[in-house]
Amino acid sequence: EIVMMQSPATLSVSPGERATLSCRASQSVNSNLAWYQQKPGQAPRLLIYGASTRATGIPARFGGSGSGTEFTLTISSLQSEDFAIYYCQQYNNWPPLTFGGGTKVEIK
Amino acid sequence: QVQLQESGPGLVKPSGTLSLTCAVSGGSISSSNWWSWVRQPPGKGLEWIGEIYHSGSTNYNPSLKSRVTISVDKSKSQFSLKLSSVTAADTAVYYCARVKWSSGWVDYWGQGTLVTVSS
Repeated sequence: EIVMMQSPATLSVSPGERATLSCRASQSVNSNLAWYQQKPGQAPRLLIYGASTRATGIPARFGGSGSGTEFTLTISSLQSEDFAIYYCQQYNNWPPLTFGGGTKVEIK
Repeated sequence: QVQLQESGPGLVKPSGTLSLTCAVSGGSISSSNWWSWVRQPPGKGLEWIGEIYHSGSTNYNPSLKSRVTISVDKSKSQFSLKLSSVTAADTAVYYCARVKWSSGWVDYWGQGTLVTVSS
């Protein structure tokens, strides 16, 4: 099973600033990686798939990059609605699908 | 727009069986998708439980495989989860979800339902 690790666990950012979240896989997942956003009391929402392709309706300030074992989610200019928990998920070796532990983006 | 809605008991006794159903609307359960269950313990991350295709083919998380059964009822456009021998560690919000065939990412989620294991 591929283990996904996210860092940092918590990221404190001021509105308007850039946020950079990391995700690392225990072995290569090629570009088979997705990112999700989860707000309190809500289900996760798909942001990115294929490591860098934005899902339908996702604003351009969300960008994904990386391949192999190292991935990054960048939020170029944080808006108030972006403060949430973000999860990465691999689907290269599926089943099982595996998720990272999450990064909480909080207001600084 | 596909909609998924979980239903089932919110409280299950230890050693009992957790049973949930997910109703699929706005799309055909017989389309090319994997119908999945994902859970999230309070304050923790996401764990994939397993999935089923409309043909009945299933995949399970190895960590839960001995206790999990996922089934589909095409006539009712729903799929179900059974998790046996539950303990407090199985307390979580349980989500049903859709993974498009051969994609691997979840594009639709249910709202989630909290299941508490307690006597």
